[in-house]
Amino acid sequence: EPEVTQTPSHQVTQMGQEVILRCVPISNHLYFYWYRQILGQKVEFLVSFYNNEISEKSEIFDDQFSVERPDGSNFTLKIRSTKLEDSAMYFCASSDWTVEQYFGPGTRLTVT
Amino acid sequence: RKEVEQDPGPFNVPEGATVAFNCTYSNSASQSFFWYRQDCRKEPKLLMSVYSSGNEDGRFTAQLNRASQYISLLIRDSKLSDSATYLCVVIYGQNFVFGPGTRLSVLP
Repeated sequence: EPEVTQTPSHQVTQMGQEVILRCVPISNHLYFYWYRQILGQKVEFLVSFYNNEISEKSEIFDDQFSVERPDGSNFTLKIRSTKLEDSAMYFCASSDWTVEQYFGPGTRLTVT
Repeated sequence: RKEVEQDPGPFNVPEGATVAFNCTYSNSASQSFFWYRQDCRKEPKLLMSVYSSGNEDGRFTAQLNRASQYISLLIRDSKLSDSATYLCVVIYGQNFVFGPGTRLSVLP
């Protein structure tokens, strides 16, 4: 069964550093998403991406964040200058036209 | 008012019990609805889509009431493996909103 994969599973970084979280969506999916979940809180939408551009983004997705699909398989989330409050689990998801989203296992980001 | 609200839980039920979860949403333009389950420290997993006519998948039944802006999930004959947090997801346009989740513990 095809699945979304994410790397790394855990990333520790110092405040102010840039991080790139990587995702490989399901191969025939067209829509890609990033979410975050702070420990003990709900899943929060960050951004959706379709046809090589952002289709929607939330208030959380400010200028510190960017997404890219550098090739036909990867989908990345970059945080330019991490803050302590960026510590969270980051989930990538993908969907086909039905918008039923399938999530990757997540990257736990710890900012120290 | 929060966009998506769910029963706060937790629900502790014995094996074999029937349990129902409720979810309300505030945006009447919402177009698509889903139930996900999330195990502790794991990713959300799609449980089922929710259609206006209601839908059933084995022991799980989902219903949508657009007039009341209300979604429900019914689990019959609950199993120990059903223990998880159940997340209501509401979509309008490209805006995907998760509810805070309702935790279920099925006890032996």
